Amino acid sequence: GAVVSQHPSWVICKSGTSVKIECRSLDFQATTMFWYRQFPKQSLMLMATSNEGSKATYEQGVEKDKFLINHASLTLSTLTVTSAHPEDSSFYICSAAGTGGNSDTEAFFGQGTRLTVV
Amino acid sequence: DAKTTQPPSMDCAEGRAANLPCNHSTISGNEYVYWYRQIHSQGPQYIIHGLKNNETNEMASLIITEDRKSSTLILPHATLRDTAVYYCIVGSSNTGKLIFGQGTTLQVKP
Repeated sequence: GAVVSQHPSWVICKSGTSVKIECRSLDFQATTMFWYRQFPKQSLMLMATSNEGSKATYEQGVEKDKFLINHASLTLSTLTVTSAHPEDSSFYICSAAGTGGNSDTEAFFGQGTRLTVV
Repeated sequence: DAKTTQPPSMDCAEGRAANLPCNHSTISGNEYVYWYRQIHSQGPQYIIHGLKNNETNEMASLIITEDRKSSTLILPHATLRDTAVYYCIVGSSNTGKLIFGQGTTLQVKP
């Protein structure tokens, strides 16, 4: 299957600081990427859809000014958690769907980023 | 809201077939059935997907009923490494947008 890589795998930051998470499609061009958040013992919750070259579309209840998404190229999307607080501590996961390779009809997920805000 | 219903948990003996059911009675004509699994603290792993025909790959088989209102994921010879949360998701193949339900926690036991 296609490969999606997230970086970092885990990060600890101080309350009030910002954290950037990268999501890269390594062997295909991702016209669309998705960002999810997962709290312990819960399912994945879709936060936003990231489209290359245009503004992200946020799900209801997700603050766009707090979770900044940039999708500047066909292989990279970034999620920046601004002014992070302890309640933002979670497992953040990206997925990518695109054109070419074997990624035409299914989305592939990164390995996730564990964010802990102290 | 998720469009699928799955049992919250299931057990399976190692080496036996694991049959995971999923109900998706409101599926529309152009929506696919996708199966992913998530092992603890990892990103979801794609397993298989189908539209209306049964599908098989190296990981699993997917059986979709004729009316497409339900499906079953079959792991033919479950191993301990198959212990995970299995998600059945209904969605369009064109977008990659997936809405996750609660999934089924499969515990494979020795």
